[in-house]
Amino acid sequence: GEDVEQSLFLSVREGDSSVINCTYTDSSSTYLYWYKQEPGAGLQLLTYIFSNMDMKQDQRLTVLLNKKDKHLSLRIADTQTGDSAIYFCAESSGAGSYQLTFGKGTKLSVIP
Amino acid sequence: NAGVTQTPKFQVLKTGQSMTLQCAQDMNHEYMSWYRQDPGMGLRLIHYSVGAGITDQGEVPNGYNVSRSTTEDFPLRLLSAAPSQTSVYFCASSVSADLPRYGYTFGSGTRLTVV
Repeated sequence: GEDVEQSLFLSVREGDSSVINCTYTDSSSTYLYWYKQEPGAGLQLLTYIFSNMDMKQDQRLTVLLNKKDKHLSLRIADTQTGDSAIYFCAESSGAGSYQLTFGKGTKLSVIP
Repeated sequence: NAGVTQTPKFQVLKTGQSMTLQCAQDMNHEYMSWYRQDPGMGLRLIHYSVGAGITDQGEVPNGYNVSRSTTEDFPLRLLSAAPSQTSVYFCASSVSADLPRYGYTFGSGTRLTVV
């Protein structure tokens, strides 16, 4: 079945850039997502990218997609302490697919 | 506009007890689902629904029942609680299963402990 892999931990200093990586196996993935989970809260959609795009930028967030290698990354510029959270990569196979497949999440710790 | 509302936020059950986790959304979303989140396991799909009267199993359905009598509500029933069901449960909804562009809207979760 489909699988989504992420590293479990990332630690960066405040003001630096963070890069969170994700690989997936489903070649029919249509949409790929990044979700953020703060302590004690549900998941919040940060951004998504359609599979025919290579890059999407939204303020401090940049998503890069390498469809050939099935690799997705999330770059957070000027990382702040408020960015400390767990970040989940997820993929959907598009119309008719009822499920999102989530990675296990990357815990980002920002050091002041 | 409340989004996805889950109740209760916290619950402690004894082994063998039954209970219902409530989920309600006010966005007229067709698609609703239940996930459980366990340390090191990420999110795993329990059951989902693509509309009122339609439900189906996800990855880990055993020990759970669902029904969808209205568009707004999607309760999750634990039939006979077991310690292995200790987890954080999330309800999520989406405007349509055929339009995944916007992803899911998640509730804030129910933390369940079975002793």
